[in-house]
Amino acid sequence: ETAVFQTPNYHVTQVGNEVSFNCKQTLGHDTMYWYKQDSKKLLKIMFSYNNKQLIVNETVPRRFSPQSSDKAHLNLRIKSVEPEDSAVYLCASRKWGANTGQLYFGEGSKLTVL
Amino acid sequence: GDSVIQMQGQVTLSENDFLFINCTYSTTGYPTLFWYVQYSGEGPQLLLQVTTANNKGSSRGFEATYDKGTTSFHLQKTSVQEIDSAVYYCAMRDNSNNRIFFGDGTQLVVKP
Repeated sequence: ETAVFQTPNYHVTQVGNEVSFNCKQTLGHDTMYWYKQDSKKLLKIMFSYNNKQLIVNETVPRRFSPQSSDKAHLNLRIKSVEPEDSAVYLCASRKWGANTGQLYFGEGSKLTVL
Repeated sequence: GDSVIQMQGQVTLSENDFLFINCTYSTTGYPTLFWYVQYSGEGPQLLLQVTTANNKGSSRGFEATYDKGTTSFHLQKTSVQEIDSAVYYCAMRDNSNNRIFFGDGTQLVVKP
């Protein structure tokens, strides 16, 4: 049963436009992530928040900006999309410090940049 | 730096064949190791967590082993089925910084 919800599931846009992806988790977790999955299925961590605080910020272009209003929500804004931004963006959550460290993923938001 | 290496990009098997996927890791911390599976149209989900060196984890017929000496961990299944067709990722969490690194993934195709 899905407990990490992402919207939209698909988005097609033109180069230079702005895009936002939303993520909400209902698991009571306090740590959330954005991963980028490219066409070769490679999974790369982009950002992580713990209790609304940015704790992981990998080397991504500055047009990407995460936003967290509370520990259950983590959004991703892309200010001016480029063709190489076409990918599936996966949101995930976990409980900080838990022994299992298991990540729970949403179904992904697929971005196509024309 | 921390890394996880998964060499097998695609594996094609027939039903009832044996599956073996290998990963190696590198870290200066104390890792927690995982196997995730991603079915078409879904996000990745945890398949197995491997917590103790030289011990096996198991789930849904899959087994995972971890060798601290060679810094490697393996996923295997004795007899795969068509429904096992998916992408399998090894992953590592470095307990000192809470980043979770994924291998490049292995696309498993099981033919009936």
